[in-house]
Amino acid sequence: DGGITQSPKYLFRKEGQNVTLSCEQNLNHDAMYWYRQDPGQGLRLIYYSQIVNDFQKGDIAEGYSVSREKKESFPLTVTSAQKNPTAFYLCASSIDRSQGRTFGSGTRLTVV
Amino acid sequence: EDQVTQSPEALRLQEGESSSLNCSYTVSGLRGLFWYRQDPGKGPEFLFTLYSAGEEKEKERLKATLTKKESFLHITAPKPEDSATYLCAAEDAGGTSYGKLTFGQGTILTVHP
Repeated sequence: DGGITQSPKYLFRKEGQNVTLSCEQNLNHDAMYWYRQDPGQGLRLIYYSQIVNDFQKGDIAEGYSVSREKKESFPLTVTSAQKNPTAFYLCASSIDRSQGRTFGSGTRLTVV
Repeated sequence: EDQVTQSPEALRLQEGESSSLNCSYTVSGLRGLFWYRQDPGKGPEFLFTLYSAGEEKEKERLKATLTKKESFLHITAPKPEDSATYLCAAEDAGGTSYGKLTFGQGTILTVHP
C-alpha cells in the first residue's frame, strides 16, 4: 500500500540534544512537508520541499533543519536551538502544490 | 495575513443528532478549501476539497459546502465512530511558490451513543 511512514511514533529527548525524525513516502510525490501541531492550534509549516535537493523554510523554521537527498525521504532534525520542541510532528506529501496533502501518522516528541 | 477560524472548538452530539461545523477563512485568493478528519494520535485524513462558492461534496454522513467567506461541514445522523477532530485548511492562490495552506485549529466532535 502506498503511504507515508513516520518513525518513531514516540520520541523522548533530553534538553540540549539534537534528534532526527524520519519520513518516508512511496507515493511518488514530488512535494513533501513538515508540520508541527500543538494543542488548540492549527498545523504550522516548518519546512517544505518541492523537488530533490531543494527545500524552503516555512513559518516556524527556527531551530529545525531538513534534507532532501532522495525523492522518498525528508528527515527533520530538531536541534537544541529549538526552544519549545515538545509537540506532535506531522510529515506530509502532495503530487504537486495544488493538491491536498497526504499525511503520515505523526511523531510525538517529548523533551525531558 | 491568511487566517482560518473554526467553530465551535468542541461539539458534543447525541447519536442521530445532526449539526454543522463552521470554517471561516480570509485569504487573498482561494485556490482550494480542504477538510480533514483526525483521530487522536494519528495524522489527518483527507475528506474533501472545495474550489468555488456554491460547490458541495458528500461522503456518507458528511456534506461540505462552500461560500465566499466560509465552509460548513454538515453531519447528518452522526454515529459514535464519527467522533474525531475535524480540520479545515484554505489554500492561497496568491503569488507564493508552494500553495500556502493555512489550517484552522480544529473542531473536536464527540458523538455519544
